[in-house]
Amino acid sequence: GEDVEQSLFLSVREGDSSVINCTYTDSSSTYLYWYKQEPGAGLQLLTYIFSNMDMKQDQRLTVLLNKKDKHLSLRIADTQTGDSAIYFCAESHSGAGSYQLTFGKGTKLSVIP
Amino acid sequence: DTAVSQTPKYLVTQMGNDKSIKCEQNLGHDTMYWYKQDSKKFLKIMFSYNNKELIINETVPNRFSPKSPDKAHLNLHINSLELGDSAVYFCASSQKTYEQYFGPGTRLTVT
Repeated sequence: GEDVEQSLFLSVREGDSSVINCTYTDSSSTYLYWYKQEPGAGLQLLTYIFSNMDMKQDQRLTVLLNKKDKHLSLRIADTQTGDSAIYFCAESHSGAGSYQLTFGKGTKLSVIP
Repeated sequence: DTAVSQTPKYLVTQMGNDKSIKCEQNLGHDTMYWYKQDSKKFLKIMFSYNNKELIINETVPNRFSPKSPDKAHLNLHINSLELGDSAVYFCASSQKTYEQYFGPGTRLTVT
């Protein structure tokens, strides 16, 4: 079945770059996503990448996709304390008008001032 | 101007009770979803509705029954609550696209 794996914890110093990695198993994935969840809050879609793309950049965020290895990464440049949160990798493929998301277990990013 | 709203935000109840969580979206989306996030933060799809029609039902016990009176609402009714139902439940919506917008979540605690 579909599976999305990511490491559970990452700790970085303020100002450094953070790289959060994710692997997935479903080769029919159409979209891959990064969601951010701050404590006590809902999920915020940070960015996504279509499966035929290798890279997407959006301000401080860079997403890299290696489709052959089924590996997705999120790089946050100049990490700030406000970036401390849980980051979820997710994948989806369309079917019957619905995009079902399969999530990883989340990576808790801690930013040290 | 909240996009996806859920009520209540917190729900504390005893085992065996029946409770409902409401979700509304004002984005005009066709598809709505319910996700469950357990104590370890693991998120899993429960249901998906497209134009008021059930699309996905992921091995959820029959005690959980989603109800969609119209495209803008997808409510979750839970019968005979159990301790293991304690979790945060998220509603989401999308318009036949990849972007799902999530509500703020409802933290259900069963005692």
